[in-house]
Amino acid sequence: AQSVAQPEDQVNVAEGNPLTVKCTYSVSGNPYLFWYVQYPNRGLQFLLKYITGDNLVKGSYGFEAEFNKSQTSFHLKKPSALVSDSALYFCAVRDPYSSASKIIFGSGTRLSIRP
Amino acid sequence: DSGVTQTPKHLITATGQRVTLRCSPRSGDLSVYWYQQSLDQGLQFLIQYYNGEERAKGNILERFSAQQFPDLHSELNLSSLELGDSALYFCASSPTIGETQYFGPGTRLLVL
Repeated sequence: AQSVAQPEDQVNVAEGNPLTVKCTYSVSGNPYLFWYVQYPNRGLQFLLKYITGDNLVKGSYGFEAEFNKSQTSFHLKKPSALVSDSALYFCAVRDPYSSASKIIFGSGTRLSIRP
Repeated sequence: DSGVTQTPKHLITATGQRVTLRCSPRSGDLSVYWYQQSLDQGLQFLIQYYNGEERAKGNILERFSAQQFPDLHSELNLSSLELGDSALYFCASSPTIGETQYFGPGTRLLVL
């Protein structure tokens, strides 16, 4: 069965510093992986996805994520954090070979960027 | 703006009541998903429809039901409401199954 884990409930970073939000997954085949962001009182917004190809995926707002098959990870990164990046971030996975069509979301990581 | 619309934005009701939440997917999207987000439970997948047919079920209670209509809009019906049903309910849509999902702004339900 597919699963996804976000091991950190909260990540705190100073503005201007690099940030990483961690995500690990478990699927039986090659995964489809997604990152979403949720700002207060808003719906989830799609950031980026990995399906195949280059392991480094670039997304919206300067974010990128690196797919690492050996470590079954898909960490979200940004070279220089902004206060406006403060939000709740969700990693999600789908096993394309599974008969179930649903995408499983992680529990979310709250990112806090201090000025 | 994702292109997914949800109504109403807010809903306040009493225990034991029944409510209907409505979702209109992005133009051209055939698949609709419903999620529940509460403070301590994260994002819980409830149910998915594709072109009018149920395709996947998650942690959806028997008191809850949903459907997708021929015009592709979807409704989530919540009945015999309990205090614990208070949450944000999100709808998402995608062109086909398993593709990137685009979320609506959500309906905030408060059961008193």
